[in-house]
Amino acid sequence: GEDVEQSLFLSVREGDSSVINCTYTDSSSTYLYWYKQEPGAGLQLLTYIFSNMDMKQDQRLTVLLNKKDKHLSLRIADTQTGDSAIYFCAERPDTGRRALTFGSGTRLQVQP
Amino acid sequence: DTGVSQDPRHKITKRGQNVTFRCDPISEHNRLYWYRQTLGQGPEFLTYFQNEAQLEKSRLLSDRFSAERPKGSFSTLEIQRTEQGDSAMYLCASSPMGSGAEDTQYFGPGTRLTVL
Repeated sequence: GEDVEQSLFLSVREGDSSVINCTYTDSSSTYLYWYKQEPGAGLQLLTYIFSNMDMKQDQRLTVLLNKKDKHLSLRIADTQTGDSAIYFCAERPDTGRRALTFGSGTRLQVQP
Repeated sequence: DTGVSQDPRHKITKRGQNVTFRCDPISEHNRLYWYRQTLGQGPEFLTYFQNEAQLEKSRLLSDRFSAERPKGSFSTLEIQRTEQGDSAMYLCASSPMGSGAEDTQYFGPGTRLTVL
């Protein structure tokens, strides 16, 4: 079955880089997503990566995908206090189904 | 360009009452999704519509839950005979017709349900 796992908590200092990790089990995953959720709010799409890619960069965000190990990471360069939030990775399998499977989220705390 | 909107944002009800939530997707998005998120967890898929057709339903969607999208635009999610375990954030998302990256789901702000 599908399962997505993330570490619960990450604390960094402002200006440092943050790396949030995610592992998934479904080898048929086609698209993998990163969403950000601030307290009491919905999910904001940050970026996504297709399974035939190894890396994707979008301004301060870098996504790395190791398909062999089913490992996904999100690196945030020059982390700011406004980046404090919960970050979710999600996968969508190549089965024709549209449902996303989410991890439990990683809470990022940025200390000034 | 307006995003996905949901109404109400918060709902407090007593156990046993019925509640209904509304979702308005991004205009011209043919696909609409409902998810449920409990405290400390990621969203869990409930159901999915393509236009007015309900194409996927999760096992989480018990017979007390019903979702509709009668004209292929907005959708409603009704919970009958609410239970305390139904307390959660109910999230709606939409995506355009397409495959691959075009099928990216955009989420609304959610409706937080509290069942007393």
